[in-house]
Amino acid sequence: GAVVSQHPSRVICKSGTSVKIECRSLDFQATTMFWYRQFPKQSLMLMATSNEGSKATYEQGVEKDKFLINHASLTLSTLTVTSAHPEDSSFYICSAPQRGSSTDTQYFGPGTRLTVL
Amino acid sequence: KQEVTQIPAALSVPEGENLVLNCSFTDSAIYNLQWFRQDPGKGLTSLLLIQSSQREQTSGRLNASLDKSSGRSTLYIAASQPGDSATYLCATPGNTPLVFGKGTRLSVIA
Repeated sequence: GAVVSQHPSRVICKSGTSVKIECRSLDFQATTMFWYRQFPKQSLMLMATSNEGSKATYEQGVEKDKFLINHASLTLSTLTVTSAHPEDSSFYICSAPQRGSSTDTQYFGPGTRLTVL
Repeated sequence: KQEVTQIPAALSVPEGENLVLNCSFTDSAIYNLQWFRQDPGKGLTSLLLIQSSQREQTSGRLNASLDKSSGRSTLYIAASQPGDSATYLCATPGNTPLVFGKGTRLSVIA
């Protein structure tokens, strides 16, 4: 099956710094990628939809100036958490749909654990 | 707006038991439905994907069924093993953002 990678897998940073998370589709092109956030013992919640060549679409309550998304190519989307605070500590997962002849399937990255001290 | 509910929230069974996890969704106009497994602190592993035109999918000891008209899907795990312990999530995927249930935390006790 298709593979989606994320980097880094784990990051610890100081409050006030910015952190960039990369999401790559390794063997297929993805014009759309999705970013999710998961707090402990909670389900995944969609943060934003990343669109190649255009602005990202953010879900209600997600600050676009805080969570910067750049879909630079058909295989790469980045999420930058700016001026991170401890409440931003969470598990961030990206996904990318692979278009098929008869079906679309979403593939998930392994996730990035962000801890803000 | 699609809402996905999973019951039970947690389940503990002895090894070898057969079990059923339930998933319900409010909007039956789904493209397909997917079951995932998530180990603590890890990402998602796709288990089974059922197209809207299908009624069930099987992979090894796992069998997932889909009833669109009633807005329900079930994941059946046969002969459970301690290695099956994880959180199981269902979601309605496709080329649109997924809507996830909160998951069922399964513990299989040896």
